[in-house]
Amino acid sequence: EAQVTQNPRYLITVTGKKLTVTCSQNMNHEYMSWYRQDPGLGLRQIYYSMNVEVTDKGDVPEGYKVSRKEKRNFPLILESPSPNQTSLYFCASSFLSNRAYEQYFGPGTRLTVT
Amino acid sequence: GENVEQHPSTLSVQEGDSAVIKCTYSDSASNYFPWYKQELGKRPQLIIDIRSNVGEKKDQRIAVTLNKTAKHFSLHITETQPEDSAVYFCAASRRGGADGLTFGKGTHLIIQP
Repeated sequence: EAQVTQNPRYLITVTGKKLTVTCSQNMNHEYMSWYRQDPGLGLRQIYYSMNVEVTDKGDVPEGYKVSRKEKRNFPLILESPSPNQTSLYFCASSFLSNRAYEQYFGPGTRLTVT
Repeated sequence: GENVEQHPSTLSVQEGDSAVIKCTYSDSASNYFPWYKQELGKRPQLIIDIRSNVGEKKDQRIAVTLNKTAKHFSLHITETQPEDSAVYFCAASRRGGADGLTFGKGTHLIIQP
């Protein structure tokens, strides 16, 4: 089954404790992105990757890191989480369909930083 | 960078009536405009999209229109049904979505029985 998976789905942590949210896709997509969703703000892009070892900042990259060592995986790293990073996080991968890159979203990770 | 404004933030319509959600974008180089539907507790899902070389696209009860000159695009849902209740997001991209999307803040559509 074609899918984007994220782990964990729910996480409660404390300020300053490093964490990683994993994202994996089995569709051989080249393009992957991370978004955060906050009430009233919609989805905002954190980072994206257009290929292995190629990553770039989105609109809200501060406090986050990513890596793309393999095509299928695109982990999101919070080196020192803070309460303002409490949010719902979505990973997405995209493929070329009718000359546009349709984003396919993972199930989301709800992160709470206390 | 791109900025996408979406209105209204909440829209309540009677079942069977039409609903229209409007978005404007700032970057004239944007060329791809998808719409996503997000039900409570679920991931966003693509419902329709349009590219800048097309003015209108229709898929059953859903249609999207694009005015490049005015830099705005709209989602039209006809004959609304209870299952249309959700949050809808518009988005824009200048590279066909390859480097991700800039989203509007969402519209909560409520279908009244």
